[in-house]
Amino acid sequence: KQEVTQIPAALSVPEGENLVLNCSFTDSAIYNLQWFRQDPGKGLTSLLLIQSSQREQTSGRLNASLDKSSGRSTLYIAASQPGDSATYLCAAEGGSEKLVFGKGTKLTVNP
Amino acid sequence: EPEVTQTPSHQVTQMGQEVILRCVPISNHLYFYWYRQILGQKVEFLVSFYNNEISEKSEIFDDQFSVERPDGSNFTLKIRSTKLEDSAMYFCASSEVRSGEQYFGPGTRLTVT
Repeated sequence: KQEVTQIPAALSVPEGENLVLNCSFTDSAIYNLQWFRQDPGKGLTSLLLIQSSQREQTSGRLNASLDKSSGRSTLYIAASQPGDSATYLCAAEGGSEKLVFGKGTKLTVNP
Repeated sequence: EPEVTQTPSHQVTQMGQEVILRCVPISNHLYFYWYRQILGQKVEFLVSFYNNEISEKSEIFDDQFSVERPDGSNFTLKIRSTKLEDSAMYFCASSEVRSGEQYFGPGTRLTVT
């Protein structure tokens, strides 16, 4: 059974800092890994999808990497801004179409 | 930009009542999903749906739950007899292809009293 863990649970950084969010999964036989952003009381906004054959994906200031063999993915945020404050979720899909989510990292970027 | 929509945004119901949560997936998407998030907990998969059939369901998705695509644009989740523990945020999602990027709606907050 796939388990997804995100560390740290919360992170507070000053504006402008580069940061890394971590995601680990127990079953390396995944089809893809997806990163989401969730604002309080809101839905999930898809940020990046990395297919199992890829090692990384980039979108603007975001870069996500995937290392299936070690069961890890990272989300790198460059030059963080207060508007980046949110909870970031990663989710692994193992071919059955269902996403298995981590509990998220709550990010606060202080002006 | 196309998006998944859900109605209502908040539903309050009494224990034992039936509720129907509605979703309009992105129009060219073929795969549909329901997830839920109990306050403070992880987002959990409930069911996936393709070609008018359930593809997979979790152990949460028991006989009290059902899904339907009644008219080619809507996708609904019905809970026949709600329990207090059904209180959660319910998210609908859709994707264009199998194992593709899933796009989520804003959610319906269900409160069972």
